[in-house]
Amino acid sequence: KNEVEQSPQNLTAQEGEFITINCSYSVGISALHWLQQHPGGGIVSLFMLSSGKKKHGRLIATINIQEKHSSLHITASHPRDSAVYICAVRNTGNQFYFGTGTSLTVIP
Amino acid sequence: DTGVSQNPRHKITKRGQNVTFRCDPISEHNRLYWYRQTLGQGPEFLTYFQNEAQLEKSRLLSDRFSAERPKGSFSTLEIQRTEQGDSAMYLCASSSLGRHNEQFFGPGTRLTVL
Repeated sequence: KNEVEQSPQNLTAQEGEFITINCSYSVGISALHWLQQHPGGGIVSLFMLSSGKKKHGRLIATINIQEKHSSLHITASHPRDSAVYICAVRNTGNQFYFGTGTSLTVIP
Repeated sequence: DTGVSQNPRHKITKRGQNVTFRCDPISEHNRLYWYRQTLGQGPEFLTYFQNEAQLEKSRLLSDRFSAERPKGSFSTLEIQRTEQGDSAMYLCASSSLGRHNEQFFGPGTRLTVL
């Protein structure tokens, strides 16, 4: 069993739709990261959370420490949001565990 | 460009050859991480350095793999006697010290072992 589970694995949405990607983890963490990976491999850090909620533009990330669950929301999705979104957690020993990613395709 | 850089970006090699990859982190970052990512999977942790000290090493890292960060700046990852199963994207990331400091990723080195 992976330490980090994401759902769904693949997601196709129409432009403008509200999107939610979920992440559950099983280890004690010091922080949770949401990453965006574009074709070609480049990874960009979107959020780092240890509690509550963060918002950057159309992106919102929430975390529930008690339930060991986080969600990434995209409002008013756009084709340029198409990418793989990866949830990663850092345990208290500073090791990182990654989910397998959610491949998002937003259709115009 | 002050981001994390990796060289080479692509490497094709024959099985049994040795390869070495380089990562240059963001200059003020103390921590440097190596990950491996295969197609359709998330990155897998390989090892990490704090300054020049290698603090953690994954069980995924066989004795054919070695990483160094001799002066606490750039790092190298060497794979000896490469196998086809080593084909993957090798990612480097760096961060500053602190519990809540995010990682910045390099573009990766894609290794293909024929």
